[in-house]
Amino acid sequence: NAGVTQTPKFRILKIGQSMTLQCTQDMNHNYMYWYRQDPGMGLKLIYYSVGAGITDKGEVPNGYNVSRSTTEDFPLRLELAAPSQTSVYFCASSFPGGDGVEETQYFGPGTRLLVL
Amino acid sequence: AQSVTQPDIHITVSEGASLELRCNYSYGATPYLFWYVQSPGQGLQLLLKYFSGDTLVQGIKGFEAEFKRSQSSFNLRKPSVHWSDAAEYFCAVGPYNTDKLIFGTGTRLQVFP
Repeated sequence: NAGVTQTPKFRILKIGQSMTLQCTQDMNHNYMYWYRQDPGMGLKLIYYSVGAGITDKGEVPNGYNVSRSTTEDFPLRLELAAPSQTSVYFCASSFPGGDGVEETQYFGPGTRLLVL
Repeated sequence: AQSVTQPDIHITVSEGASLELRCNYSYGATPYLFWYVQSPGQGLQLLLKYFSGDTLVQGIKGFEAEFKRSQSSFNLRKPSVHWSDAAEYFCAVGPYNTDKLIFGTGTRLQVFP
C-alpha cells in the first residue's frame, strides 16, 4: 500500500487566495492529523479527526478548516492565505490507542507552501 | 505543562563515531515516547517507540533509545553513525488513548566523512 500521500508537494499562493491540501491514506486508519512545521520548530497540530464525520481543533487551528467525509481522505482548507501560513504541512494517520493496541502515527511526505 | 525538550539544536559527528541525542519530557501521566527521523525534503519516519516493558528499545537503522523515568529522559543512541544518518531527529511524547503528540523542536545531525 502507498501509506499516506499528500498533494501538491509544493505551492505558491498569493495573499488572500484559497487552496486545499489533499491527504489520503490507504491503511484504513481511523485517526488522521494535520501538522505544520515552521523552520527550527517542532510540529504543531492544526486539526485532527478520529473518524469520518468527526474533526477537532489542535493547537493552531486559526485560518484553517478541515472535513472528513471518508475514512481515507482528510483535506485541509486555507480560505484566505496569509504570509504567516508559509510552512511545511504534514498529514499523518494512525489507529486509535487503547485496549492494548499500540498507536503509531504514519506521516506523509509533506506539502511546502509559500504565501507571498 | 506538557513539553518535550531537545537541548541540542545541531550536532556534528564523524562517520563511525557514536551518537547520543538527548530528549527530556515533562508529562503528567504515563508517557508514550517516540523518535522520528526526517531526511531532507521528506516526511517523518518512525525510528522507535516506547510504550511499556523493557526500557531499552531497539529501532530501525541500528538506533536504540533508553527510557529513564527518574530522569524524564528518552535519549536516542547509535554506536556507529553512517553518512546516511544525516537528518533531523524529533522526539515526541503522547498519551495512550488520544492522539495529540507533543514534538520537540528537533536536532539536526550532520555527519562528516
